[in-house]
Amino acid sequence: EPEVTQTPSHQVTQMGQEVILRCVPISNHLYFYWYRQILGQKVEFLVSFYNNEISEKSEIFDDQFSVERPDGSNFTLKIRSTKLEDSAMYFCASGEFSPYNEQFFGPGTRLTVL
Amino acid sequence: GDSVTQMEGPVTLSEEAFLTINCTYTATGYPSLFWYVQYPGEGLQLLLKATKADDKGSNKGFEATYRKETTSFHLEKGSVQVSDSAVYFCALSDPNDMRFGAGTRLTVKP
Repeated sequence: EPEVTQTPSHQVTQMGQEVILRCVPISNHLYFYWYRQILGQKVEFLVSFYNNEISEKSEIFDDQFSVERPDGSNFTLKIRSTKLEDSAMYFCASGEFSPYNEQFFGPGTRLTVL
Repeated sequence: GDSVTQMEGPVTLSEEAFLTINCTYTATGYPSLFWYVQYPGEGLQLLLKATKADDKGSNKGFEATYRKETTSFHLEKGSVQVSDSAVYFCALSDPNDMRFGAGTRLTVKP
């Protein structure tokens, strides 16, 4: 069964460093998303991406964040200059049809900023 | 904007007990509704969904009915097992994103 994959599973970085989180969505999906979950808290929407551009972004997704689909398979989230409060689990998701249908989530990347 | 409110946890039940986790939503349009489950150390898995009013989603003994009149999508299971211990998230889909509830941690004891 096709699944969303994410790498790395755990990333440790120093404050102020740039990180890139990678995702490979399910191959025929058209809609892509990033979410984050700070430890013990709710899952928060960051950004949605369709047709090679951002569809919507939350207030969390400020200028430090960017997304890219550099080729036909990868979908990346870049944090330009990490802060301590960026420490969280980051989930990538993809969907085949409109956002009204289910999204398939990857296993997540745990980002720890020291 | 659209939002989801879930009953707060944690919920602790004995095996074979009846489970209800309440979920209500606020939406301007006609969203699809979902329950996702997160087992310890894992990502989010879709448990069930309903795309229109009066639809009932069901999976693995869990059920939820999309009630437009009460704006609710309560999760129920008649007899829980230890393996059901997880965090359960109610969610709705907006035109461009998915809004999650805060999550309810369920612990089932043998």
